[in-house]
Amino acid sequence: RKEVEQDPGPFNVPEGATVAFNCTYSNSASQSFFWYRQDCRKEPKLLMSVYSSGNEDGRFTAQLNRASQYISLLIRDSKLSDSATYLCVVNVPNAGKSTFGDGTTLTVKP
Amino acid sequence: EAGVAQSPRYKIIEKRQSVAFWCNPISGHATLYWYQQILGQGPKLLIQFQNNGVVDDSQLPKDRFSAERLKGVDSTLKIQPAKLEDSAVYLCASSPNRYEQYFGPGTRLTVT
Repeated sequence: RKEVEQDPGPFNVPEGATVAFNCTYSNSASQSFFWYRQDCRKEPKLLMSVYSSGNEDGRFTAQLNRASQYISLLIRDSKLSDSATYLCVVNVPNAGKSTFGDGTTLTVKP
Repeated sequence: EAGVAQSPRYKIIEKRQSVAFWCNPISGHATLYWYQQILGQGPKLLIQFQNNGVVDDSQLPKDRFSAERLKGVDSTLKIQPAKLEDSAVYLCASSPNRYEQYFGPGTRLTVT
């Protein structure tokens, strides 16, 4: 079993749709969590951190469920420009462990 | 603020040859990471430096890969000798605090 697992998709949604991705992790010592966005043939870019209390940035909402060991990303009112691969990252900072999932591909269509 | 710089951007070599990649992190970032990203997969951590010390290199294939960060700033990653399965994008990232990471554009390596 992989340490960090994501549904690879692809998720194909129309503009304006709401879409949610989940990411599960196996290391209970994990301390920090992030979502990154990666466009085709580009480097990953930080989208948002995931806090225990949940956090929201515009149309994006991230949540953490430590008991069930998963994080989620919700995108509301999808735009064409949201088409990308979304990577979750799970860190155990003091142990130098930084583990990426394999990503979920989102395509937003007109 | 300047981002993470990497060079070269592309490299094509034959198997059994050697190759080196260079990374210059964001100024002031103490933590530096090297990742290998194979097509269709997420980045896989190869090594993490804190200043010029190694925090974790458990996934670095040490029989052929080596990395250094001698003065706690720039870093180089070397592969010697390369194998076909080393074809990937090699990403360097830096962090001010071991939490959020900022990536360079990567080096796309093709081994033939």
